[in-house]
Amino acid sequence: NAGVMQNPRHLVRRRGQEARLRCSPMKGHSHVYWYRQLPEEGLKFMVYLQKENIIDESGMPKERFSAEFPKEGPSILRIQQVVRGDSAAYFCASSPQGQGPHEQYFGPGTRLTVT
Amino acid sequence: DQQVKQNSPSLSVQEGRISILNCDYTNSMFDYFLWYKKYPAEGPTFLISISSIKDKNEDGRFTVFLNKSAKHLSLHIVPSQPGDSAVYFCAASERPSGAGSYQLTFGKGTKLSVIP
Repeated sequence: NAGVMQNPRHLVRRRGQEARLRCSPMKGHSHVYWYRQLPEEGLKFMVYLQKENIIDESGMPKERFSAEFPKEGPSILRIQQVVRGDSAAYFCASSPQGQGPHEQYFGPGTRLTVT
Repeated sequence: DQQVKQNSPSLSVQEGRISILNCDYTNSMFDYFLWYKKYPAEGPTFLISISSIKDKNEDGRFTVFLNKSAKHLSLHIVPSQPGDSAVYFCAASERPSGAGSYQLTFGKGTKLSVIP
């Protein structure tokens, strides 16, 4: 059973470009969480999605960031007009439907570097 | 405002001895606590958890203790092994309302080094 897949593992973007991060959940999981880890910090919640629905985006910056989880395909975290402060590791975690907090399985992360 | 605090950025322990990692929290609405282990360039891996209705949970070499009145929890690893060397994150979750988001609030992590 494949784990949570994230790609790319490393992404370099110049200021002003767009970054697209992909997350394929574990088989049978229909829920996805996105977290961001800034250097020397813990992971911070960004958004929680089910298929075709954003459930909780309370941790998402109001501008430039968006997320989706279409009926088919991976979940996408999109950052428009990236700035240096967006440089971080972005982790997604997938979860079976309706399960508790311990049922979040993390992917290996995408390390975004903005130059 | 950090709701979950791990005040020790690093800890070194001799192989075979006990490792004790500490975590404090401020949000009294947290009702579930978790420890994750993380190796470089990998995602966090769930290690052990505890509900707020308990004060201890044990799984093999790992035991988590919860002191609700002090808003403090600790992870004990005994005996410590070199393979335990990693960054350990404490995380907490509130009982969700409405749509059921079990978002986790993480501490900054403690880097454990187990010396052979």
